[in-house]
Amino acid sequence: SQQGEEDPQALSIQEGENATMNCSYKTSINNLQWYRQNSGRGLVHLILIRSNEREKHSGRLRVTLDTSKKSSSLLITASRAADTASYFCATDEGRGGGSNYKLTFGKGTLLTVNP
Amino acid sequence: GEEVAQTPKHLVRGEGQKAKLYCAPIKGHSYVFWYQQVLKNEFKFLISFQNENVFDETGMPKERFSAKCLPNSPCSLEIQATKLEDSAVYFCASSQSRGRGPSNQPQHFGDGTRLSIL
Repeated sequence: SQQGEEDPQALSIQEGENATMNCSYKTSINNLQWYRQNSGRGLVHLILIRSNEREKHSGRLRVTLDTSKKSSSLLITASRAADTASYFCATDEGRGGGSNYKLTFGKGTLLTVNP
Repeated sequence: GEEVAQTPKHLVRGEGQKAKLYCAPIKGHSYVFWYQQVLKNEFKFLISFQNENVFDETGMPKERFSAKCLPNSPCSLEIQATKLEDSAVYFCASSQSRGRGPSNQPQHFGDGTRLSIL
């Protein structure tokens, strides 16, 4: 099943503005993670929020998780041109028990920050 | 090492030829994952390993794809009799094991191998 649908698909903002991306998913999860992908590169892990957490901060990033609505948002404050990248949410639907499970990714949001 | 290393960066094969991709996970990470990214957005899970054992192979096309993670060697993903539709970027990721309870471990990705089938 398709999991982790982001919206918008593309977002263009000016440097200094805030960027908000949303993600919806369909099944129960252990955690939800956000990754960034610069063109031609691999995914860089940004932040992980566990299913029993509602909000998490890391530097200029703020992530929220609403398990009742099966949705998450990523807010990047005071954006910079270097934040230009694709952003993906990914869900870990694993059964716990100490094992590491696959991630199911959404299709991503392409963020362009104009200088 | 401190990064997931994938080789080669780019691989070109004619349709029907074999392709073999390699991945060296971060030292100390016991899980390895392979994903396929098509059209710059969709990531498809292929297979994961816990040390040298297959952990989850639910995403692997059975007929032509195989993978291994042997001790003291890079992990590998091999595609026999490649097809045009196999053209994609193949990413390897690794993660640590916590050993108990939900792992909640991030995955660390390499820069991928771009496979072009002509």
